Amino acid sequence: NAGVMQNPRHLVRRRGQEARLRCSPMKGHSHVYWYRQLPEEGLKFMVYLQKENIIDESGMPKERFSAEFPKEGPSILRIQQVVRGDSAAYFCASSPGETTQETQYFGPGTRLLVL
Amino acid sequence: AQSVTQLGSHVSVSEGALVLLRCNYSSSVPPYLFWYVQYPNQGLQLLLKYTTGATLVKGINGFEAEFKKSETSFHLTKPSAHMSDAAEYFCAASRSGGYQKVTFGTGTKLQVIP
Repeated sequence: NAGVMQNPRHLVRRRGQEARLRCSPMKGHSHVYWYRQLPEEGLKFMVYLQKENIIDESGMPKERFSAEFPKEGPSILRIQQVVRGDSAAYFCASSPGETTQETQYFGPGTRLLVL
Repeated sequence: AQSVTQLGSHVSVSEGALVLLRCNYSSSVPPYLFWYVQYPNQGLQLLLKYTTGATLVKGINGFEAEFKKSETSFHLTKPSAHMSDAAEYFCAASRSGGYQKVTFGTGTKLQVIP
């Protein structure tokens, strides 16, 4: 059973460009979470999605950031008009169910560098 | 709101010595608690978790943690450090009801000295 996959692993963007980060959950998992890890900090929750639904986006910045998890295909975290402060590691996690008894399995992350 | 505090951003131990990484949580309701390990440029791997039941939880790689409600703590220990234990460790908490929304501590980098 393949783990959570994220691509690209590294992404370099210039200020003002768009960044698209992809996450393929583990097989059989329909719950996806995105976290951001700023340098020297812990992970911060961004958004929780189920297939075709955003359940909780309380951790998402109000502007420029969006997320989706379509019926088919990976979950996408999209950052428009990136700024240097967006440079961070973005981790995706998936779980088979939504309850807190379920373990979240993390992907290897996408490291975004904004020049 | 929940918060997780890890005491000590860097901890150094000698190979073979006891590893103790501290974690305290703040929550009006006892949460579910986790320890994750992160190796450089990799994702997080679950070491162990506490949900209900026995308060001493054993995890992978010889690690264990004890949930102490009276102290609101969930410290991670390993009797004898190995060089391969050098990594960053994150304590985390989530609500005991409803869907998962995990709150992470700021992490502790463990250095193992030969």
